[in-house]
Amino acid sequence: DQQVKQNSPSLSVQEGRISILNCDYTNSMFDYFLWYKKYPAEGPTFLISISSIKDKNEDGRFTVFLNKSAKHLSLHIVPSQPGDSAVYFCAASGSSNTGKLIFGQGTTLQVKP
Amino acid sequence: DTEVTQTPKHLVMGMTNKKSLKCEQHMGHRAMYWYKQKAKKPPELMFVYSYEKLSINESVPSRFSPECPNSSLLNLHLHALQPEDSALYLCASSQESSGLAGLSYNEQFFGPGTRLTVL
Repeated sequence: DQQVKQNSPSLSVQEGRISILNCDYTNSMFDYFLWYKKYPAEGPTFLISISSIKDKNEDGRFTVFLNKSAKHLSLHIVPSQPGDSAVYFCAASGSSNTGKLIFGQGTTLQVKP
Repeated sequence: DTEVTQTPKHLVMGMTNKKSLKCEQHMGHRAMYWYKQKAKKPPELMFVYSYEKLSINESVPSRFSPECPNSSLLNLHLHALQPEDSALYLCASSQESSGLAGLSYNEQFFGPGTRLTVL
């Protein structure tokens, strides 16, 4: 039973345009959500997070939106750059599952020059 | 220092060998984690240490034995592994695991991983 789902395994966008990566979750007890970026043969790098008390968090080119009623979050990257090409993982946690991050399957983003 | 380091970077071992993976952080984090990641899959949690005590064991086989000698170090001792244990082993750390501090409690910082191959 996948509690965190990233239904698009891959996404290709042109440099300078917006990249939108989506994530859905099923567990209503999740109250903290994170996005990680991963290059091959490296560990995941934390990008941005959002608490369930907010519906938007912004950090430079990265914005995460949370829609609690739809159990959906998205990561927007504007403008996209070739260096953004990587695998993006959505992760979720809740105060009831202390210390556990539940990861989605990942979306491979390719930004074309 | 905002880095989690892991050694070795690559490890090849036979099924009868005993080896250890090491992880170190100097961010003052009190929670440390071991994950296993297979190709094209998300990281899977194995163990969580909180304040140097094992708080979560995700039903990991006993051939994997974690150890937390102090608040900065985390080891994973390997013995009698199987070829299907070949994977990228990731260490991570965070401020703490329970969220009681009201901070970004599950903002986990990952190391680069150890690529393990079991022959």
